[in-house]
Amino acid sequence: EAQVTQNPRYLITVTGKKLTVTCSQNMNHEYMSWYRQDPGLGLRQIYYSMNVEVTDKGDVPEGYKVSRKEKRNFPLILESPSPNQTSLYFCASSSGQTYNEQFFGPGTRLTVL
Amino acid sequence: SQKIEQNSEALNIQEGKTATLTCNYTNYSPAYLQWYRQDPGRGPVFLLLIRENEKEKRKERLKVTFDTTLKQSLFHITASQPADSATYLCALDGDGNNRLAFGKGNQVVVIP
Repeated sequence: EAQVTQNPRYLITVTGKKLTVTCSQNMNHEYMSWYRQDPGLGLRQIYYSMNVEVTDKGDVPEGYKVSRKEKRNFPLILESPSPNQTSLYFCASSSGQTYNEQFFGPGTRLTVL
Repeated sequence: SQKIEQNSEALNIQEGKTATLTCNYTNYSPAYLQWYRQDPGRGPVFLLLIRENEKEKRKERLKVTFDTTLKQSLFHITASQPADSATYLCALDGDGNNRLAFGKGNQVVVIP
């Protein structure tokens, strides 16, 4: 089954404790992206990757890192999480061709205390 | 500044009627526009794409129009059903680089 998976689905952590949210897709997609979704603010892009070893900042990259060492994986790293990073996070992928739809993962609900 | 606007108020509609949602944008020149459905706590799911040279697109009970002069897209659900209750997001080609910019979404509640 074609899908985007994220782990963990739920995470409660404390300020300053480094964490990684994994994202993996099995569709051989070139384009991958991370979004955060907050009430009243909608979906905002954090980082995106057009291909392996190619990443770029989205609209709200501060406090986040990403890497794209393999085509299928695109982990999101929070080196020193803060409470304002409490949010619902989505990973998405697409073929990278113009007009193509994005496939979203199930989401990771992160709470930083 | 660039904006994508969707109605923040939920649309309550009787089962069987047509629900119509609006997406207006400012300071974008999108090559295409997409609509997604999102259920609470879940990831958005792609529904329809319409290109700038297309006026209308249909898929089953869904219809989307795109007016680049008005800078507006309309999303219609005909013969609505309670299962259509969800939040619907419009998204457009923000910079021609496959980067999508999303509206905040418009909730639809279909009343049996």
